[in-house]
Amino acid sequence: GENVEQHPSTLSVQEGDSAVIKCTYSDSASNYFPWYKQELGKRPQLIIDIRSNVGEKKDQRIAVTLNKTAKHFSLHITETQPEDSAVYFCAANQGGKLIFGQGTELSVKP
Amino acid sequence: GAGVSQTPSNKVTEKGKYVELRCDPISGHTALYWYRQSLGQGPEFLIYFQGTGAADDSGLPNDRFFAVRPEGSVSTLKIQRTERGDSAVYLCASSFGTSYNEQFFGPGTRLTVL
Repeated sequence: GENVEQHPSTLSVQEGDSAVIKCTYSDSASNYFPWYKQELGKRPQLIIDIRSNVGEKKDQRIAVTLNKTAKHFSLHITETQPEDSAVYFCAANQGGKLIFGQGTELSVKP
Repeated sequence: GAGVSQTPSNKVTEKGKYVELRCDPISGHTALYWYRQSLGQGPEFLIYFQGTGAADDSGLPNDRFFAVRPEGSVSTLKIQRTERGDSAVYLCASSFGTSYNEQFFGPGTRLTVL
C-alpha cells in the first residue's frame, strides 16, 4: 500500500521568511496530493492541492510542486506570518482514501 | 451551508464498553470517510463509503470496529469492547466523489477509554 513520508517534523522560521515542507510517496498510482493545515484542537483544513498531471500550483503565498518521477512533492509558503503557525499534513490519494504524512509543526516567530 | 458535523464532541467510556460515533456529512456528498488521529500523528484511514456501501474498509484495525451508512447520508462508527488503545480523535470527512475531490473534515470526536 501507499506510504507517505514527511519532513521536517518541526520547522521554526522568522516572520517574513519562507518555509518548505517535503513529502515522498511510494505508490506511483497515486494521482492527487492535498495539503492540510491543522490548528491546535481544530479540524484539518485544505490549503492547496495538486493533481498528478500538473507540476506546480500556486495560490497567493502558497505553492506546491510535484515530481512524479521522483515521487515527491513539496509545500512552499512565502512571506510567512504568525498566523501560519500550525501543523501541516501532506497526503496522497490511493483509490479514494487519503494516506497522510506524519505532519510538520510550523512555528513562525514575530 | 453547514459543514460536516460529528457527535458527540467528547466521549469518555470504560474499557470493555460499546460506543457509537455519529457523522453528518455535507448535504449531497456521496463519499464519506472515517479517520483516526492519535496525538502528534497524521489522520489514519479507517473506512470509506460511496453511497451506502463500504468501498474500502481496509483500515479498520480489527473486528471490534464496524461502520454503517444505511441511507447514504449519516454514518455511525461502532466500537465494541473498547480498549485503552482505542483512545484517539475520530475524524469524519465527506466529498463529492473520490478521485480529485476535496475531503471536508468534521471537528472530530475525542474518545477516551479509561
